[in-house]
Amino acid sequence: DQQVKQNSPSLSVQEGRISILNCDYTNSMFDYFLWYKKYPAEGPTFLISISSIKDKNEDGRFTVFLNKSAKHLSLHIVPSQPGDSAVYFCAASAGGTSYGKLTFGQGTILTVHP
Amino acid sequence: ETGVTQTPRHLVMGMTNKKSLKCEQHLGHNAMYWYKQSAKKPLELMFVYSLEERVENNSVPSRFSPECPNSSHLFLHLHTLQPEDSALYLCASSLGLANYNEQFFGPGTRLTVL
Repeated sequence: DQQVKQNSPSLSVQEGRISILNCDYTNSMFDYFLWYKKYPAEGPTFLISISSIKDKNEDGRFTVFLNKSAKHLSLHIVPSQPGDSAVYFCAASAGGTSYGKLTFGQGTILTVHP
Repeated sequence: ETGVTQTPRHLVMGMTNKKSLKCEQHLGHNAMYWYKQSAKKPLELMFVYSLEERVENNSVPSRFSPECPNSSHLFLHLHTLQPEDSALYLCASSLGLANYNEQFFGPGTRLTVL
């Protein structure tokens, strides 16, 4: 049973527009959420995170929104740039019950066209 | 070298072969992780090591055998693998076990089992 789901395998956006990547989770024990970005031939790199006590976290062009009642989070990239083209993974953890465990989604391929 | 490195980057092996994957982290971290990413599936945690001691074996078949001789190096020994074991194997590290939300990933080894 997949506890973190990214239902859109791919997303295509024009440069300068907003990219919205979505992630749903089922485990109500998750209390920390992260987004990782992965370029081809490289490992995933941390992008932004949010604790369950917040509903929004912003870092430059990247904003993550958390809707706990819907068990949904989203990553907004504004404005999108061609260098943002990568695979984006959503991940979640339940700090109080599991150490060392990040549960990942299957990823969304973002393509930003010039 | 900086960050987390993995060798080899690509590996093709037969089902009767024995091979090893190597991971080295240059970050002074004490916790290391092995993940498996099969095509179109989420990253799956395989093993967790803290200070060279295995603290998590996520129901991984015995044909995968990890080894952590020191806090900088992590190996994954492979023997009698199956074609369905073909995947990207990612190594990660964190400062300590409690810092599992801040993992740094290597570029991965792309394994093909014939």
